[in-house]
Amino acid sequence: EAQVTQNPRYLITVTGKKLTVTCSQNMNHEYMSWYRQDPGLGLRQIYYSMNVEVTDKGDVPEGYKVSRKEKRNFPLILESPSPNQTSLYFCASSPVAGGTYEQYFGPGTRLTVT
Amino acid sequence: GDSVTQMEGPVTLSEEAFLTINCTYTATGYPSLFWYVQYPGEGLQLLLKATKADDKGSNKGFEATYRKETTSFHLEKGSVQVSDSAVYFCALSGSLETNFGNEKLTFGTGTRLTIIP
Repeated sequence: EAQVTQNPRYLITVTGKKLTVTCSQNMNHEYMSWYRQDPGLGLRQIYYSMNVEVTDKGDVPEGYKVSRKEKRNFPLILESPSPNQTSLYFCASSPVAGGTYEQYFGPGTRLTVT
Repeated sequence: GDSVTQMEGPVTLSEEAFLTINCTYTATGYPSLFWYVQYPGEGLQLLLKATKADDKGSNKGFEATYRKETTSFHLEKGSVQVSDSAVYFCALSGSLETNFGNEKLTFGTGTRLTIIP
């Protein structure tokens, strides 16, 4: 089944404790992206990747890191989480960036930082 | 920069009512327009799309027409069902021809729709 998977689905952590949210797609897509969803703000892009070893900042990259060493995986790293990073996070992929292409979303990771 | 303005929610309707969720956009060039739906506890999934002016996207009884003159992409359904209860997001992506904004989807804030039996 074609899908985007994320782990963990739920995470409660404390300020400053490094964490990684994994994202994997099995559709051989070139483009991958991370979004965060906050009430009243919709989805905002954190980072994106046009292909392996090619990443760039989105609209809200502060406090996050990413890497793209393999085509299928695009982990999101929070080196020192803070409470304002409490949010619902979505990974997405598409065959290539933008244009008419649909983005396929993972199920989401709900992160709480205390 | 690109932006999407979406009808404020929440919206509550009775089953079989007519639905309209308004969406207008500001963008450079000729963007593609999308409606995504998010069911409770799930990720977003594409509902419909339109890639050029006057195109009509349709799926599951929902329709939206790309109106360049009014920069709008309003979502409509003639008769809603309880199973349509979800959050609906309007979004745009840059045109491949102009290569503007290709790197992301720009989303509206979402409209929560609740259908009561």
